[in-house]
Amino acid sequence: DIQMTQSPSSLSASVGDRVTITCRASQTIRSYLHWYQQKPGKAPKLLIYAASTLQSGVPSRFSGSGSGTDFTLTISSLQPEDFATYFCLQSSTTPFTFGPGTKVDIK
Amino acid sequence: QVQLVQSGAEVKKPGASVKVSCRASGYSFTSYAFSWVRQAPGQGFEWMGWISGYNGNTKYAQKVQGRVTMTTDTSTNTAYMELRSLRPDDTAVYYCVREEGYYDTSSNLQYYFDYWGQGTLVTVSS
Repeated sequence: DIQMTQSPSSLSASVGDRVTITCRASQTIRSYLHWYQQKPGKAPKLLIYAASTLQSGVPSRFSGSGSGTDFTLTISSLQPEDFATYFCLQSSTTPFTFGPGTKVDIK
Repeated sequence: QVQLVQSGAEVKKPGASVKVSCRASGYSFTSYAFSWVRQAPGQGFEWMGWISGYNGNTKYAQKVQGRVTMTTDTSTNTAYMELRSLRPDDTAVYYCVREEGYYDTSSNLQYYFDYWGQGTLVTVSS
């Protein structure tokens, strides 16, 4: 199985900060990497698919990059509604596997 | 708009079975596949398997193979996930997710999860 790791596991940031979260795969997954946001008690929401394509309706302050084994989610200017947990998903090979998540909270 | 509405929370004893439903609306049910994903308390997500909304073909994760059955009912646009021989470590929130397809730069069809159900808490306890 492909193992997914994320860093950091948590971070504290202020409104307006630029935030970067990294996801790493244990083997190459080309660009088959997707990013999600989850708030407590809610279902996850798709932000980015295919490593860098912004899902319709998602604010442009979210962006994704990377290919192969290393990927990045960037929030250019953190907004109050962005405090949540973010996780990645690889769909290169079954079983699809997820990163453990990065919790973004208020500094 | 696309909606996936799941059945309510369940409490089961070890060794029992549970069947979770996921009713889809707002799109052509047979044009998409579903995956089932679970999240144990305080843990990450685990993919359990996949079912085609078109022909019912399935693929299960090795970890639950033999205990899980995924089905669809195209007359009611509903997907089902049944898990048998429940154990306490099956306690989790179970999600149905719709798989959207896209073509990569090599024209290979790939998938991602675009819509999620609201989740169903299954608690396994004696």
